[in-house]
Amino acid sequence: EAAVTQSPRNKVTVTGGNVTLSCRQTNSHNYMYWYRQDTGHGLRLIHYSYGAGNLQIGDVPDGYKATRTTQEDFFLLLELASPSQTSLYFCASSLDWGGYAEQFFGPGTRLTVL
Amino acid sequence: QQQVRQSPQSLTVWEGETAILNCSYENSAFDYFPWYQQFPGEGPALLIAIRSVSDKKEDGRFTIFFNKREKKLSLHITDSQPGDSATYFCAASVWATGGNNKLTFGQGTVLSVIP
Repeated sequence: EAAVTQSPRNKVTVTGGNVTLSCRQTNSHNYMYWYRQDTGHGLRLIHYSYGAGNLQIGDVPDGYKATRTTQEDFFLLLELASPSQTSLYFCASSLDWGGYAEQFFGPGTRLTVL
Repeated sequence: QQQVRQSPQSLTVWEGETAILNCSYENSAFDYFPWYQQFPGEGPALLIAIRSVSDKKEDGRFTIFFNKREKKLSLHITDSQPGDSATYFCAASVWATGGNNKLTFGQGTVLSVIP
């Protein structure tokens, strides 16, 4: 029943490894986001999208790619993972792109890069 | 550069007390301030929000006080309950549709309520 789901929930990889984080939303929302959460930094926006095939750059995009294949599915790709990318990653969705638009978050993926 | 700052980083109160979480911001263009609540193992969820045209927003035990001149706001949780133990994020954005109206989050305050 959860409207935003993420997989995997936990992932361990090695430096230089290739990682794909998946997100699916069933809210019929137009906008989807990828954030990373780190102690002392709060939530920081990596990439976002306003529809299938669209990608916008967020505030901390270096080392990350993303792809929105359908309205429901948004993927975050780390092609050469580094220890600095060890973090808790959240996907979110919202109906509109306005400052007022409530964002609905998934449960998160904890990524560890050794 | 942190555009939205929160204090304290962590706060412990007894059950029944009022918890006060503080937030300040730098960008004068910000005019919408949602607070998100995050329980361990979950994603954040919208708790309460205020627009800069108001100086107070109340929802049950949760109240936001807003001071536009000082660019400060605070979240007051009265009669704190152990179930309120969570991380609270202050965020800021511009209300209008379009443009670069992304949410900017603070670092979060971890609240612990002791029974």
